[in-house]
Amino acid sequence: GIQVEQSPPDLILQEGANSTLRCNFSDSVNNLQWFHQNPWGQLINLFYIPSGTKQNGRLSATTVATERYSLLYISSSQTTDSGVYFCAVYGGSNYKLTFGKGTLLTVNP
Amino acid sequence: ETGVTQTPRHLVMGMTNKKSLKCEQHLGHNAMYWYKQSAKKPLELMFVYNFKEQTENNSVPSRFSPECPNSSHLFLHLHTLQPEDSALYLCAAGGHGYGYTFGSGTRLTVV
Repeated sequence: GIQVEQSPPDLILQEGANSTLRCNFSDSVNNLQWFHQNPWGQLINLFYIPSGTKQNGRLSATTVATERYSLLYISSSQTTDSGVYFCAVYGGSNYKLTFGKGTLLTVNP
Repeated sequence: ETGVTQTPRHLVMGMTNKKSLKCEQHLGHNAMYWYKQSAKKPLELMFVYNFKEQTENNSVPSRFSPECPNSSHLFLHLHTLQPEDSALYLCAAGGHGYGYTFGSGTRLTVV
């Protein structure tokens, strides 16, 4: 099956700092999503981004499908950005989402 | 996002109990899924339903029994669970070209 690797596994920032999270995947994928899991466990969809670049406020994402990676940028981080960020990809003809292990982000005031 | 609703949010059950988790989607997607997230482990896919038909059973023990009566509802029936089954259970709905939307999850504790 497809392997999804995220880096770094843990990241600690001061409020206001910028960060880049990376997702590498081992095979061609149909689609890719970035999620934020909040402290209550809910997975919030941030981006549906099979290719190209998207921006939503302080967050943006870029996927280069031909090189099998995606990047999530967080600018001017806030304490509410804390949580786990997951990258997940679809592969093959089944609707089957494979998750990376996530990046645990802690933003300190 | 409120397109996928899960109930209950929290559940404590004994090992001899029978309970059910419910998931409802309001997005009109074709596929629905159950995922399990244990402490310090990656999310694990349990079951996939496409157009109400089960298309994936990821080697899940028979004490977990899914049911999909229509394209908007998905249940996970639980019986004779073990303490190691305590986890966050997440339901998702997805459609080609739309991505996945997850519910808020049910945090299950087996005592």
